Amino acid sequence: GAGVSQSPSNKVTEKGKDVELRCDPISGHTALYWYRQRLGQGLEFLIYFQGNSAPDKSGLPSDRFSAERTGESVSTLTIQRTQQEDSAVYLCASSHTSAGLGEQYFGPGTRLTVT
Amino acid sequence: GDSVTQMEGPVTLSEEACLTINCTYTATGYPSLFWYVQYPGEGLQLLLKATKADDKGSNKGFEATYRKETTSFHLEKGSVQVSDSAVYFCALDSDTGNQFYFGTGTSLTVIP
Repeated sequence: GAGVSQSPSNKVTEKGKDVELRCDPISGHTALYWYRQRLGQGLEFLIYFQGNSAPDKSGLPSDRFSAERTGESVSTLTIQRTQQEDSAVYLCASSHTSAGLGEQYFGPGTRLTVT
Repeated sequence: GDSVTQMEGPVTLSEEACLTINCTYTATGYPSLFWYVQYPGEGLQLLLKATKADDKGSNKGFEATYRKETTSFHLEKGSVQVSDSAVYFCALDSDTGNQFYFGTGTSLTVIP
């Protein structure tokens, strides 16, 4: 079946604009994760959904970042009033349950560039 | 807190050369350790894992041993191929609930 997909694959936006990044997890996966990878750095965990709920929002870097998930399926990561330091690759992953890192399937990422 | 430190790249090797990518970790508990690979244009894929000390993970000719005494999980392959060209990430799952830590990634290019 299809893997995790993300859209857009690339996004260039001007500083101060809002952006929405989309993740379509593998069908039936109840857990969904968002990560960020800035240039030269490792992946940073942002947020995790179990179903449509986000029990752990501790990784969101500021209140400009928010995420939601509907229908235990698609998730949207929204960044308001983008800043240049938000430029990064944003990765989404999903798994059957919140079973840990080894069970997560990753999407190809969205490369966000804030000019 | 927990963390992962990974050898910086890029690494360029000739086909059939030996590969070692170093990874060390800091953890307060009993983490599981992973190597992920990202081929050009694709998402991260789990390459191998080890869940406790002295375990050896292996896959596609790659292997890594979880060494608690040196807090290391170095990735090795005896003979690389052009198709191994990718970015490799060392990662740690602290096993205390959605605490995941990744290294910065090491880009490997294998030339014929």
